[in-house]
Amino acid sequence: NAGVTQTPKFQVLKTGQSMTLQCAQDMNHEYMSWYRQDPGMGLRLIHYSVGAGITDQGEVPNGYNVSRSTTEDFPLRLLSAAPSQTSVYFCASRKQGMNTEAFFGQGTRLTVV
Amino acid sequence: EDKVVQSPLSLVVHEGDTVTLNCSYEVTNFRSLLWYKQEKKAPTFLFMLTSSGIEKKSGRLSSILDKKELFSILNITATQTGDSAVYLCAVDSNYQLIWGAGTKLIIKP
Repeated sequence: NAGVTQTPKFQVLKTGQSMTLQCAQDMNHEYMSWYRQDPGMGLRLIHYSVGAGITDQGEVPNGYNVSRSTTEDFPLRLLSAAPSQTSVYFCASRKQGMNTEAFFGQGTRLTVV
Repeated sequence: EDKVVQSPLSLVVHEGDTVTLNCSYEVTNFRSLLWYKQEKKAPTFLFMLTSSGIEKKSGRLSSILDKKELFSILNITATQTGDSAVYLCAVDSNYQLIWGAGTKLIIKP
């Protein structure tokens, strides 16, 4: 019953470092997305994918890259970390189509110093 | 621009009280409205509403949608300390989920 698996749970980076947040789902969901959550701001969409090989930008894409080579995996890459990227990151997946709920990973708390 | 607004942003009540959380929306292509509960970790799904006037209920929690006035409410009766959480509302518009900022609910013993 894995659902959406997100790693790591915590990460501290120095300004300018790069890293990849991993996300995998085992529900065969077409739609996957990455959000960041900052205090008082709800969930903001970074990037999303509607299927393998297809990605698109969300509301706050700058400084992040994604790829979707398989249905299961949707990694998020921080190219050159900045303190403004300190946040909690969530990966989510949904079955494509109307009236489907989103399932979330457990989140990654990222601090950039 | 699509937007979802939740109110109040925070609420403190005593155990046993009843609370009503609000979610209003303006979106281009409404498909459904979803409520989630978020404790320390990931949001967990509560309800999905698609039709006006039909109440969804789960134990002490219930929710209803008004598509004419573009809002939904989440009611929690006989609140318990375990209900303390952030409650998030999201609207599915053109297959994208548009999220509100959340209501932080604190239940005092």
